Amino acid sequence: EVQLVESGGGLVQPGGSLRLSCAASGFTFSSYEMNWVRQAPGKGLEWVSYISSSGSTIYYADSVKGRFTISRDNAKNSLYLQMNSLRAEDTAVYYCARSIRTAATGVGDYWGQGTLVTVSS
Amino acid sequence: QSVLTQPPSVSGAPGQRVTISCTGSSSNIGAGYDVHWYQQLPGTAPKLLIYGNSNRPSGVPDRFSGSKSGTSASLAITGLQAEDEADYYCQSYDSSLSGWRVFGGGTKLTVL
Repeated sequence: EVQLVESGGGLVQPGGSLRLSCAASGFTFSSYEMNWVRQAPGKGLEWVSYISSSGSTIYYADSVKGRFTISRDNAKNSLYLQMNSLRAEDTAVYYCARSIRTAATGVGDYWGQGTLVTVSS
Repeated sequence: QSVLTQPPSVSGAPGQRVTISCTGSSSNIGAGYDVHWYQQLPGTAPKLLIYGNSNRPSGVPDRFSGSKSGTSASLAITGLQAEDEADYYCQSYDSSLSGWRVFGGGTKLTVL
């Protein structure tokens, strides 16, 4: 069974940092591209970042470029999102999602349960 | 403002058919990029409903179908059921934005 479990969320002050993790199981993690998607309270879905299976290709949404860093450790079956210079508008539930294998532009055929990040003083 | 435009809400009675539109432009749907649809039940993570414009993942009922034409796509739900009440999102790729996956703003489906 495919499982994605996020962790690392919490309350952080503006300007602070957090590192989110996503533990993957039930599939060959190293063969799949991965994404982070966020959802602000009461709002819609926003794609945040993409990483290729090897980690060699990375993309970011403009809203987080220069502040967030996506990475992965295929030996540990884990995906990460390092978030620096956090702002109030980064407050959201952050989901990791496995890219759709047969539809390369698809964000996710499996999603984690999400982890809440709250940026507030 | 989302790159893909969806109606904020739609509604229908049990058993009826509803459609949700997703309007893009020449740099996303109109450029030939696939459209994918997700269902988000209240308080849960999104779930893939349709991928590659019209394909259903295993386990998704055939009451759900997707189509694409020109710069728009649609999700159709037939035989509406109470458990279909959820938020629905379309998603595609936009060639004007490097690496950007883009979502529609979401549509709240209410089953009357």
